[in-house]
Amino acid sequence: AQKVTQAQTEISVVEKEDVTLDCVYETRDTTYYLFWYKQPPSGELVFLIRRNSFDEQNEISGRYSWNFQKSTSSFNFTITASQVVDSAVYFCALEGGQAGTALIFGKGTTLSVSS
Amino acid sequence: EPEVTQTPSHQVTQMGQEVILRCVPISNHLYFYWYRQILGQKVEFLVSFYNNEISEKSEIFDDQFSVERPDGSNFTLKIRSTKLEDSAMYFCASCTGFADTQYFGPGTRLTVL
Repeated sequence: AQKVTQAQTEISVVEKEDVTLDCVYETRDTTYYLFWYKQPPSGELVFLIRRNSFDEQNEISGRYSWNFQKSTSSFNFTITASQVVDSAVYFCALEGGQAGTALIFGKGTTLSVSS
Repeated sequence: EPEVTQTPSHQVTQMGQEVILRCVPISNHLYFYWYRQILGQKVEFLVSFYNNEISEKSEIFDDQFSVERPDGSNFTLKIRSTKLEDSAMYFCASCTGFADTQYFGPGTRLTVL
């Protein structure tokens, strides 16, 4: 069975702090895809990143970075120098390697950044 | 930039009524999905649709739910007889196919009274 665990329910930080959101996944597929989505207070789901299971290179996009480690089945997300606009719920998700497969979401981590 | 659109943004209905939620996927996408999110909870998969038929569905997607692509652009989710527990945000998503990212619409908030 496929499963995504986001153990951190809520995180509160002060602006400019760095914060890491944890994601641990379970799958028996050899080919799979991992995602992060952001859900701001307005409610929409905003795509942030997709990684495939064969690419363990870390990725950086501005203040965002992702650390994918197959050895620990983790795909962690770090926000550097957090800002108030980063306040949102962040979901990690897993998709199997076949077309049309459902996304399996974690329960999400609510990040609150105060000024 | 192309995006998935959904209508209405908010639907209020009485228990037992039928509702139809509408989605317009991105035009060159071939796979379509419905997900739901009960308030404060995680996003849950309902159904995926490809080539005019359901390709996968979850346990949530029981006989009261149905999906349809009535024309070349719309993708609908029908709930035949709504229950209080159907109150949730319903998201439509689409993608081109294998190994592609699913892009989500803004959601329809369904409130069943």
